Amino acid sequence: AQKITQTQPGMFVQEKEAVTLDCTYDTSDQSYGLFWYKQPSSGEMIFLIYQGSYDEQNATEGRYSLNFQKARKSANLVISASQLGDSAMYFCAMREGFFGNEKLTFGTGTRLTIIP
Amino acid sequence: DGGITQSPKYLFRKEGQNVTLSCEQNLNHDAMYWYRQDPGQGLRLIYYSQIVNDFQKGDIAEGYSVSREKKESFPLTVTSAQKNPTAFYLCASSFQDRSIFSAFFGQGTRLTVV
Repeated sequence: AQKITQTQPGMFVQEKEAVTLDCTYDTSDQSYGLFWYKQPSSGEMIFLIYQGSYDEQNATEGRYSLNFQKARKSANLVISASQLGDSAMYFCAMREGFFGNEKLTFGTGTRLTIIP
Repeated sequence: DGGITQSPKYLFRKEGQNVTLSCEQNLNHDAMYWYRQDPGQGLRLIYYSQIVNDFQKGDIAEGYSVSREKKESFPLTVTSAQKNPTAFYLCASSFQDRSIFSAFFGQGTRLTVV
């Protein structure tokens, strides 16, 4: 079974509009964390935002926010006021495992294209 | 500046040869990881290591080997047993401080078999 599922292979969004990228996860751990990374065409992985499983508030970082719904096991990324530079691949990832034996598992990604 | 350095950026290998990809970090992180990314795909975990002289297989370890002799270094060897080694390889390191967990990536190595 997939640990991280991203159901949107590609999305096209008009510049300045908000966009939501979907991510659902599957784990039986009580302690885990969820990440979003951006990967431009250069290939580097840019950290965007992190949400711990015990965090009660949704994480926010500038224009990025993470809509964390624990009961639904979803961790959607919301980008407000999209910009042309937001065009890239976006990956959702989950940290699981106990301290000292943790690993990151990634979804298959969503390619976001911002239209001027 | 602190960070993760992968070298080389581009690597060409003849079929049947072993090659080693370098990953060095000066972030004092305990955990390090190797991922493989194929075009248009997500990242798949090859190997990971939480401490020196110890490492675990990830989801696609066959045809790869690693070592962790120093905290700062986690080289990946792509052996001739790896049937389809052409891919983009990413190294990462992570640390945890109480409830904060952070993971950082290198710039990647693009390996092509010729």
